[in-house]
Amino acid sequence: EVRLLESGGGLVQPGGSLRLSCAASGFTFSNYAMTWVRQAPGKGLQWVSVITGRGGKAYYADSVKGRFTISRDNSKNTLYLQMNSLRADDTAVYYCAKHDSINYFYVLDHWGQGALVAVSS
Amino acid sequence: YVLTQPPSVSVAPGKTATMTCEGSDEGGKSFQWYQQKPGQAPMLVIYYDSDRPSGIPERFSGSKSGKTATLTISTVEAGDEADYYCQVWDSGTYQDVVFGGGTRLTVL
Repeated sequence: EVRLLESGGGLVQPGGSLRLSCAASGFTFSNYAMTWVRQAPGKGLQWVSVITGRGGKAYYADSVKGRFTISRDNSKNTLYLQMNSLRADDTAVYYCAKHDSINYFYVLDHWGQGALVAVSS
Repeated sequence: YVLTQPPSVSVAPGKTATMTCEGSDEGGKSFQWYQQKPGQAPMLVIYYDSDRPSGIPERFSGSKSGKTATLTISTVEAGDEADYYCQVWDSGTYQDVVFGGGTRLTVL
């Protein structure tokens, strides 16, 4: 059974940093691209970042480019999102999700339960 | 790339619900659909325009014509009430994963 478990969320002040983790199990982690998606309170889904299965390529939404960094440790079956220079509009539930391919980003076939990040003074 | 969905759709139990997702260009993209119930993570219900993951009832079906995808739920049940999001991969320069704004399905 595929399982994705996010951790590392919490309350942080504007300008602060936070690192989210997503522990994966039930599949060969390195064979699949992974994505972070966020959802602000009462709003829709917003894609944040994606990384290929081997970690060689990563892409970001314009709203987080230069502030967030996605990475993965395939030896630990874990996906990360380093978030710096956080702003109030980064407040959201952050989901990690698995793609159905190593290098293509068509389908998100499994999702974690999400981690809440709140940016406030 | 922009995906446009109607904000809401209402349907009586036992009837058929249809919701659309219009892309901003013809691009030949594959559409996915996700169901999100309150307080839960999204769940894939349709992929590659019309395929259903295992465990998703046959009542859920997808189609595409040109730049518009459609999700159809037949014989709607109260448990189908949720937000539904369409999504594509814009495999151009920026490799963006794009979501529509979502459609809230209300079962009357």
